[in-house]
Amino acid sequence: DIQMTQSPSSLSASVGDRVTITCRASQGISNWLVWYQQKPEKAPECLIYAASTLQSGVPSRFSGSGSGTDFTLTISSLQPEDFATYYCQQYNSYPYTFGQGTKLEIK
Amino acid sequence: QVQLVESGGGVVQPGRSLRLSCAASGFTFSSYAMHWVRQAPGKGLEWVTVISYDGSNKYYADSVKGRFTISRDNSKNTLYLQMNSLRVEDTAMFYCARDREQLVLGDAFDIWGQGTMVTVSS
Repeated sequence: DIQMTQSPSSLSASVGDRVTITCRASQGISNWLVWYQQKPEKAPECLIYAASTLQSGVPSRFSGSGSGTDFTLTISSLQPEDFATYYCQQYNSYPYTFGQGTKLEIK
Repeated sequence: QVQLVESGGGVVQPGRSLRLSCAASGFTFSSYAMHWVRQAPGKGLEWVTVISYDGSNKYYADSVKGRFTISRDNSKNTLYLQMNSLRVEDTAMFYCARDREQLVLGDAFDIWGQGTMVTVSS
């Protein structure tokens, strides 16, 4: 199975900050990577798929990059509604696997 | 609008069975692969299983293989998860989710249901 490792596990930041979350795959997954945002008591929502393609309706302050084993999610200027938990997931091969999550909290 | 609505969750004793349903609306259900993903209380996301758009292909996580069975009824726009031999560690919120693209098996999930809670406890 492909292991996905996110860092950091938690992050404190302020409105307006630029933040970056990283995700590393235990083997190459090309660009078959998706980022989800999950707010408390809600289902996850797709932010970015194919490593860098913004899902329809997602604000442009979100961006993704990477290929192979190393990926990043960047939020250019944090907004109050961005405080949530973020997960990466590979869909290169089954079983699909998720990172452990990064909880983004208000400083 | 495009929507997935899960049902069938509840409290069940270890070793018993439960069947979850996921009703789809607002899109051509028969054109999309569908998944189940679960989340234990306070924990991260775990992919459980997938079924192809026509039901011909299925994959399972090792943690549920041999105990859980995914199926679909395209005439009823409904996805199912039959869960047998339930364990305490199966306690989780179960979400159904749709592949982003039609007629493929393997994509990001663009639509998620609200989830149904399964609690396995004696």
